[in-house]
Amino acid sequence: AQRVTQPEKLLSVFKGAPVELKCNYSYSGSPELFWYVQYSRQRLQLLLRHISRESIKGFTADLNKGETSFHLKKPFAQEEDSAMYYCALRAGTYKYIFGTGTRLKVLA
Amino acid sequence: DAGITQSPRHKVTETGTPVTLRCHQTENHRYMYWYRQDPGHGLRLIHYSYGVKDTDKGEVSDGYSVSRSKTEDFLLTLESATSSQTSVYFCAISESNRGGYEQYFGPGTRLTVT
Repeated sequence: AQRVTQPEKLLSVFKGAPVELKCNYSYSGSPELFWYVQYSRQRLQLLLRHISRESIKGFTADLNKGETSFHLKKPFAQEEDSAMYYCALRAGTYKYIFGTGTRLKVLA
Repeated sequence: DAGITQSPRHKVTETGTPVTLRCHQTENHRYMYWYRQDPGHGLRLIHYSYGVKDTDKGEVSDGYSVSRSKTEDFLLTLESATSSQTSVYFCAISESNRGGYEQYFGPGTRLTVT
C-alpha cells in the first residue's frame, strides 16, 4: 500500500526549542519525498524535497529508507514557523500522496 | 506561485446546485490536479490531468467531474453539490525541476454548501 503517515496532528514547542515533525511512508518503489508548509489561509508552498538535500528556513529533512521516514527538523523554532506542515510522496509520474498534516505551534 | 490562479476564491451555494471551479495557469504546464483539503484528512486527490482532454480519477472523485479543453484551464464541476463537499479546493501543477518533479499550488477556493 502507498501511504504517508504523520502521527501528530498538533505539535507545540517553545520558541528556541528544537522541532521534529515526523513523517513515515509506505512505498515499494524508489520514493521521492517532499515537505510542504501552509501558513494561515494561504496556499501550500514547497518547503523542501529529499532529492535536493537542502536547508530552507533552517529546516532539514533526511530520507531514511531503512526506517521509511522523512522527518522534518529545525534546531531552534521561531514564532513565524507556526503553520501546517504536510509530508508528501510522489508515487508515480502523476500521483502524489499527502499525509494528514501536522499543525506546528511555536509558543513565545 | 507558478502562475496559478483559481476562481472564485470563495463561494456559498445551496445543496443540489451545480458548481464549477476554475483553475488557470499561464506557464504551459502539462500536469494539473484538483485536491480537497479537510481537517483530519489532509489533501486528497479528486482528479488530475496529464494533457488536454486527458484526465483521470483520484481517490475521492465521486460527485465530481473535470474538463480540460485548453492547456491553461482545468475545470472542476460539482454536478449537484452536497454538504459533504464543503471544503477548500486546491488546484496544483506539477513540473520537472532540478532532476525531479515538484508540485505548486493555487491559492485555493473555499466552498460552502448550505
